[in-house]
Amino acid sequence: DAMVIQNPRYQVTQFGKPVTLSCSQTLNHNVMYWYQQKSSQAPKLLFHYYDKDFNNEADTPDNFQSRRPNTSFCFLDIRSPGLGDAAMYLCATSRSGQRAEAFFGQGTRLTVV
Amino acid sequence: AQSVTQLDSQVPVFEEAPVELRCNYSSSVSVYLFWYVQYPNQGLQLLLKYLSGSTLVKGINGFEAEFNKSQTSFHLRKPSVHISDTAEYFCAVTRSGGSYIPTFGRGTSLIVHP
Repeated sequence: DAMVIQNPRYQVTQFGKPVTLSCSQTLNHNVMYWYQQKSSQAPKLLFHYYDKDFNNEADTPDNFQSRRPNTSFCFLDIRSPGLGDAAMYLCATSRSGQRAEAFFGQGTRLTVV
Repeated sequence: AQSVTQLDSQVPVFEEAPVELRCNYSSSVSVYLFWYVQYPNQGLQLLLKYLSGSTLVKGINGFEAEFNKSQTSFHLRKPSVHISDTAEYFCAVTRSGGSYIPTFGRGTSLIVHP
């Protein structure tokens, strides 16, 4: 089935050690985006790609970077994770002009020790 | 810009009772409205959406929602809940047109007691 896949589901990293979360999609959607969701809070948009164009939210820390090497893959890089970066990270996709619906992956639960 | 308000952070209810989860939105442009459900340590699953047409929309798992433009509301209802409906529910809006990236409310935790 076409879907959005996030790897890994659970990630433990050390304080200050760079970590990369990955997302892939088989939907051929042109928009991909990352949310950060802390416990009992709404998902917070970090950034999105509209085709190849990268759009950073104004309050996304510089510690967070993203790469989209092709339509199917998108990566979230956290350069120096702090304890406050522990959260669920959700990847989602949508296709502009169609269906108006976002499709979500299962999420990656990041723990910083 | 658009925003979403979910007034109830937690809604406890007994099994087989009806439930309503409230959602209000504000936007200066036309929007589409959504309800998503999130089970523990899972991603978000779409329950239902309103794009246009009939203001009463039906979704999966017996849920429905009604769009009320004058009250800028999109409340979610289910006539009889099950234990398995215990989850976090998020109301969301997107602009009509563009990239369809949702803006979420803070979520409502539905707790169904036996």
